Amino acid sequence: AQKVTQAQTEISVVEKEDVTLDCVYETRDTTYYLFWYKQPPSGELVFLIRRNSFDEQNEISGRYSWNFQKSTSSFNFTITASQVVDSAVYFCALILNTNAGKSTFGDGTTLTVKP
Amino acid sequence: DAGITQSPRHKVTETGTPVTLRCHQTENHRYMYWYRQDPGHGLRLIHYSYGVKDTDKGEVSDGYSVSRSKTEDFLLTLESATSSQTSVYFCATGGAPGELFFGEGSRLTVL
Repeated sequence: AQKVTQAQTEISVVEKEDVTLDCVYETRDTTYYLFWYKQPPSGELVFLIRRNSFDEQNEISGRYSWNFQKSTSSFNFTITASQVVDSAVYFCALILNTNAGKSTFGDGTTLTVKP
Repeated sequence: DAGITQSPRHKVTETGTPVTLRCHQTENHRYMYWYRQDPGHGLRLIHYSYGVKDTDKGEVSDGYSVSRSKTEDFLLTLESATSSQTSVYFCATGGAPGELFFGEGSRLTVL
């Protein structure tokens, strides 16, 4: 069985602070994809990143960065200089490469950025 | 973004009535999925399809059935809706197992 744990249920920061959202996963498969999605108050799911299990390179996209470490089964997400518009629920997810039906989402982290 | 349309976007129904949610895609994606989202939970997979007439159960399939008679449409049916099926339902599509593009969601309330 696979599992995705987002231990931080809620995080509150003040604008311009950096914030890291943690994601720890469990799977016995060696090939899988990891995702981060953003769900703003409007409710849609916005794709942020997909990472293949074979690619451990960290990635930076503007104020967003992701740290993938297979040794600790973690795929953490950092927002630098947070903004009010970053307030949302963020979901981490794992999908097996060999089975499209095996997708597991974390319970989400609610991020509130205060002005 | 993949062209994914869910209908209806909002529905209120009564316990025991049948309900069908439709997901339509214009991307010719092979894989289609139905998820539900409940407060305090992430998304949970109900059913998925890996081709026309090829479907399989997900994590929370009890009380739901699906059909896919053509590539672009994936229907989710609640044969007899119950209050526990009040939720937000998301359709997703992908051209490969590692792709997942979501629709805008359908809010279902069962009274």
